[in-house]
Amino acid sequence: DQQVKQNSPSLSVQEGRISILNCDYTNSMFDYFLWYKKYPAEGPTFLISISSIKDKNEDGRFTVFLNKSAKHLSLHIVPSQPGDSAVYFCALGAGTALIFGKGTTLSVSS
Amino acid sequence: DAGITQSPRHKVTETGTPVTLRCHQTENHRYMYWYRQDPGHGLRLIHYSYGVKDTDKGEVSDGYSVSRSKTEDFLLTLESATSSQTSVYFCAISEERGSYNEQFFGPGTRLTVL
Repeated sequence: DQQVKQNSPSLSVQEGRISILNCDYTNSMFDYFLWYKKYPAEGPTFLISISSIKDKNEDGRFTVFLNKSAKHLSLHIVPSQPGDSAVYFCALGAGTALIFGKGTTLSVSS
Repeated sequence: DAGITQSPRHKVTETGTPVTLRCHQTENHRYMYWYRQDPGHGLRLIHYSYGVKDTDKGEVSDGYSVSRSKTEDFLLTLESATSSQTSVYFCAISEERGSYNEQFFGPGTRLTVL
């Protein structure tokens, strides 16, 4: 059974609007959470993280929210830009291991 | 830049042949990982290493073996490649960032098994 679910395979947003990407998990053992971004033909790159003791972390246009009681993680991108078009993976960590979701493809149109 | 390179970047091979993929890092990180990425599956861990000659299995280790004889190199071997192993393979290294471990990924190797 999947421990990490990104239920939306794709998301389309207009430039300047908010993009919200979601991630749900089933196990409470994870103590940190990360988002990675991946462009075609490149390796994933780290975007933003949050510790299990926090509920929000912000870095420029990117904000990650954690709702531990609901076992839900979300990434908000405001304002969205065409260069944000990529595949976004949530990754849940315990120790040195990461478990990745299947990814959501974000398309931002100008 | 975590200084991770992968070779080859692309490879086409035939079913039943052995294949070795190489991951090289320049930063002396302890932890190294091999993942595969497939449509509809995201990134799945194959094997990882926590030091020279110290390795362990990940989620999808069947059909793969690894070796790490030097800190900087982590090799992934398909002893007898199958079409189901057609995938994009990513190597990663891990760096502690306070309360969490951030993984840095290499550029990937696209492997096609005919």
